[in-house]
Amino acid sequence: EVQLVESGGGLVKPGGSLRLSCAASGFTFSSYSMNWVRQAPGKGLEWVSSISSSSSYIYYADSVKGRFTISRDNAKNSLYLQMNSLRAEDTAVYYCARENLLGGMDVWGQGTTVTVSS
Amino acid sequence: DIVMTQTPLSSPVTLGQPASISCRSSQSLVHSDGNTYLSWLQQRPGQPPRLLIYKISNRFSGVPDRFSGSGAGTDFTLKISRVEAEDVGVYYCMQATQFLYTFGQGTKLEIK
Repeated sequence: EVQLVESGGGLVKPGGSLRLSCAASGFTFSSYSMNWVRQAPGKGLEWVSSISSSSSYIYYADSVKGRFTISRDNAKNSLYLQMNSLRAEDTAVYYCARENLLGGMDVWGQGTTVTVSS
Repeated sequence: DIVMTQTPLSSPVTLGQPASISCRSSQSLVHSDGNTYLSWLQQRPGQPPRLLIYKISNRFSGVPDRFSGSGAGTDFTLKISRVEAEDVGVYYCMQATQFLYTFGQGTKLEIK
């Protein structure tokens, strides 16, 4: 079964750091670009970051550039998001999503919740 | 950045009746490779998003044929031919033609 499972969310104080992980299974992880997408409480979807299959290309939303770092370990079938200098507005459910070759995000995890609050 | 604008933001529909959602992009979504990377996603309450349509009009695996996508350039439409109870949720268009990827604001589909 094709699956993505996020972990690492939690409650953190403003200015703090958190590292999210996404474990992939059921497909050849190293063949796909991967994305992080977040959803603030009661709000819509916001793309956060993308990484190509070999980590050659990395992109960030302006709202997280310089604070978040996306990475992957193809040997471990894992995607990561290092989040530093967290702000209240980073509070959201964070999803990892596979990007297929047809430009669609076709596999999504269940999400992990990040709450930034003092 | 490409701005994606959906209308309506809320759509009350009678079961068995059609529904239509519009998505307009602030610039053409035609990629240099000739493809248009416009997709539609459905998010049911309490669930992660699910891919319905990719490259404007291609239904993803397992998606019922009552869902269809159309459009070109900057104007796109998602249609549901006959709404069923399980279609309740929020629908998003998304462009993957140009980084930064962007989503529409979402359209909430509810039953009258």
